[in-house]
Amino acid sequence: GQNIDQPTEMTATEGAIVQINCTYQTSGFNGLFWYQQHAGEAPTFLSYNVLDGLEEKGRFSSFLSRSKGYSYLLLKELQMKDSASYLCAVRVDSNYQLIWGAGTKLIIKP
Amino acid sequence: GAGVSQSPSNKVTEKGKDVELRCDPISGHTALYWYRQSLGQGLEFLIYFQGNSAPDKSGLPSDRFSAERTGGSVSTLTIQRTQQEDSAVYLCASSPGAGLRKGSPLHFGNGTRLTVT
Repeated sequence: GQNIDQPTEMTATEGAIVQINCTYQTSGFNGLFWYQQHAGEAPTFLSYNVLDGLEEKGRFSSFLSRSKGYSYLLLKELQMKDSASYLCAVRVDSNYQLIWGAGTKLIIKP
Repeated sequence: GAGVSQSPSNKVTEKGKDVELRCDPISGHTALYWYRQSLGQGLEFLIYFQGNSAPDKSGLPSDRFSAERTGGSVSTLTIQRTQQEDSAVYLCASSPGAGLRKGSPLHFGNGTRLTVT
C-alpha cells in the first residue's frame, strides 16, 4: 500500500524554528514535494527533493533521506503569515501520480 | 491567465441534484488534474488529463463522476445524483508538459467547496 504520515498539528512561536516531519512508505519513489496551503486557498509549491540531503530556499529548507523514507521541512524565523497547512507529497513510479499526506496544520503564536 | 481558475468557488446543492465544476488551467499547460480534499484527509486523486485525453480515470469514486476536457484547456467535472458524502473541496491543478518531470510542480486553483444538503 501507499502511506504518508505527518503530524496533524503543530504550534510554534513567532521568530522561532520549527521542523515538520514526513515519513512515507510507497511502492516507488521519484521525488518528494512540499506545499503550503492557507485556509481556503490553493496549495502552493515550496520545495522538491529527489536526492538525499538538504535543499535550502530562504527561510525554508527541506531534507530527504530515501533510505529512511523520511523528509522534513524546516521553517526559520517564523512569521505569523507562516500559519498554514503544510502538505507532503511523494511522486511514485509514474510521471504524474502523487501520493499526498493529510497535511500538518502549523499554528504560530506571538 | 495568471493562474488556475475554478468556478464556482462555493456550491450548495440538494442531495440527488447534478453539479458541474469548472477549471481553467494556466495557458499552455497540457497536464490537468482533479483532486478532492476532505477535512483531515490528504488530497484524493480523481483524474488526470494529458491534452484532451484522460489516460488515468482510476480515482473517480463511482460512475456518478465524470470529467471532460475540450480544446486542451477548460475542464469540467460533473457529479450526478449528488450524495452527502460528495461534500468536499474539489481542487484542479495544471502543469506544463507530461506531468511531473524534473520536479515541475503542480499549480493549483483555489478549489470549489461543494456542500450537499
